[in-house]
Amino acid sequence: GAVVSQHPSRVICKSGTSVKIECRSLDFQATTMFWYRQFPKQSLMLMATSNEGSKATYEQGVEKDKFLINHASLTLSTLTVTSAHPEDSSFYICSASPMTSGTQETQYFGPGTRLLVL
Amino acid sequence: DAKTTQPTSMDCAEGRAANLPCNHSTISGNEYVYWYRQIHSQGPQYIIHGLKNNETNEMASLIITEDRKSSTLILPHATLRDTAVYYCIAMEYGNKLVFGAGTILRVKS
Repeated sequence: GAVVSQHPSRVICKSGTSVKIECRSLDFQATTMFWYRQFPKQSLMLMATSNEGSKATYEQGVEKDKFLINHASLTLSTLTVTSAHPEDSSFYICSASPMTSGTQETQYFGPGTRLLVL
Repeated sequence: DAKTTQPTSMDCAEGRAANLPCNHSTISGNEYVYWYRQIHSQGPQYIIHGLKNNETNEMASLIITEDRKSSTLILPHATLRDTAVYYCIAMEYGNKLVFGAGTILRVKS
């Protein structure tokens, strides 16, 4: 149980284009999903918290107009990197928490999406 | 959430127990100790978490000191596939996971 998937697993795009990454909780519902970014040899950095049916909450320094987050259902959140540039090349990882008794519990992570912008 | 301190790296012989320490001296009463690991180029994997009592599951055991200022993750019989970065995180339910640098565990044959 508690499986989170991401699609695509890797993507290469040209500078200036937009890329959409999907995050799905396969066997549970998640009111809250999280998006992280990880640069080589660094730790995970939280980008934003995605809440179903409401606007995402972005961490300081993360541009909300560049990284669009949509949490359309209790099992799907999407991250769109708009007008991608080479410096956006990174490993993007999502996580989700099963909701029980109204409290957020353990986060389970997706396998990650490697983005390379040429 | 409380800051945690972990050794940068550790080595362990295959088949032996791997004991990974974590200090969280400023942990509050509502904060759980979570352990995740990240194998190269994959998303983090949940291992175990606890509040006060020691915990055990199919992957590992978590030993938390009585004063809750430190804990140890124990992998009872390490294999080469356990080579990964291990993260110890103190977090209150409903808060955000903040990842530090973690401990690089290298299991050697």
